[in-house]
Amino acid sequence: EAQVTQNPRYLITVTGKKLTVTCSQNMNHEYMSWYRQDPGLGLRQIYYSMNVEVTDKGDVPEGYKVSRKEKRNFPLILESPSPNQTSLYFCASSKTSAWGGDTQYFGPGTRLTVL
Amino acid sequence: GNSVTQMEGPVTLSEEAFLTINCTYTATGYPSLFWYVQYPGEGLQLLLKATKADDKGSNKGFEATYRKETTSFHLEKGSVQVSDSAVYFCAPSGYALNFGKGTSLLVTP
Repeated sequence: EAQVTQNPRYLITVTGKKLTVTCSQNMNHEYMSWYRQDPGLGLRQIYYSMNVEVTDKGDVPEGYKVSRKEKRNFPLILESPSPNQTSLYFCASSKTSAWGGDTQYFGPGTRLTVL
Repeated sequence: GNSVTQMEGPVTLSEEAFLTINCTYTATGYPSLFWYVQYPGEGLQLLLKATKADDKGSNKGFEATYRKETTSFHLEKGSVQVSDSAVYFCAPSGYALNFGKGTSLLVTP
């Protein structure tokens, strides 16, 4: 089944404790992206990747890191999480660049709480 | 980059009512246009899309027509159901996608 998977689905952590949210797609997609969704602020892009080893900042990259060493995986790293990073996070992928009009496929979301 | 303006809602309708959610876009060139839907507790999924001017996208009774002259891509459905309660996002294609806040729809029996 074609899908985007994220782990964990739920995470409660404390300020400053490094964490990684994994994202994996099995569709051989080139383009992958991370978003956060917050009440009243909508869905905002954190980072995106056009292909392996190519990443770029979205609208809200501060406090986050990403890497794209393999085509299928695009982990989101929070080196020192803070409470303002409490949010619902979505990973997405598409066949080629979103510029080309390809459909984005979203993961189920990761709800992160930073205490 | 490309962006959209859409009504935020919440929009509350009775079952079988007519739905319109307005969406206008600003873009460089002629992007593809999408409507995504997010059901409660889930990620976004594609509802419909149009790739060029005058194209009509349709799915599950929803329709939207790509209007270049008015830079719009309004979502319509003739008769909504309770199961259509969700958040709807209009988005143009682009290197960095901006989904915005979406429009929350609540359909009551």
